[in-house]
Amino acid sequence: KAGVTQTPRYLIKTRGQQVTLSCSPISGHRSVSWYQQTPGQGLQFLFEYFSETQRNKGNFPGRFSGRQFSNSRSEMNVSTLELGDSALYLCASSYDGAEAFFGQGTRLTVV
Amino acid sequence: AQKVTQVQTEISVVEKEDVTLDCVYETRDTTYYLFWYKQPPSGELVFLIRRNSFDEQNEISGRYSWNFQKSTSSFNFTITASQVVDSAVYFCALSDPWGGNQFYFGTGTSLTVIP
Repeated sequence: KAGVTQTPRYLIKTRGQQVTLSCSPISGHRSVSWYQQTPGQGLQFLFEYFSETQRNKGNFPGRFSGRQFSNSRSEMNVSTLELGDSALYLCASSYDGAEAFFGQGTRLTVV
Repeated sequence: AQKVTQVQTEISVVEKEDVTLDCVYETRDTTYYLFWYKQPPSGELVFLIRRNSFDEQNEISGRYSWNFQKSTSSFNFTITASQVVDSAVYFCALSDPWGGNQFYFGTGTSLTVIP
């Protein structure tokens, strides 16, 4: 059974640009959530999608958005990138919300 | 508000020593889940265990064991006879049944096992 796949693994972007990250959950999982991990703030919840609907949202500015497709794949978008957006972005998929399986993450560097 | 505290930022042990990672949580919910995840240098969070709030039975899985005590709001993790491959950052996390995949993570404990 394939795990959670995140693409790309690494990204370098310039301030002011926008970026889209992709997450393919484990087959059969309908819930996908996103987390930002930084040395200063640790792991912080961004949002969760379930059956194409945003079910939960963390405390991040509107520059951070996401969506989920009918095949449960999810994308996360960050517009007008800031230096502080440099982080490891982790995606997690879950079948029943009780266990989450994480991907290897996308490491975003904003210069 | 949900909160998870891991007071140990870094721990170093010599191979074959036992080590306990502490986790204390805060929640007003009576039903909740507790988790431990391992994050090796590759970055992926590896699921280790889930416990629900009604199950205080301790669990052992090979060299890993977990001690859940509601009276002290703690969910500690012990590695017996540590090995170099155990070197990683370990996270404790809390979620509630209505929060979907919204996990509240501790700040993590970086474990280094010295050969």
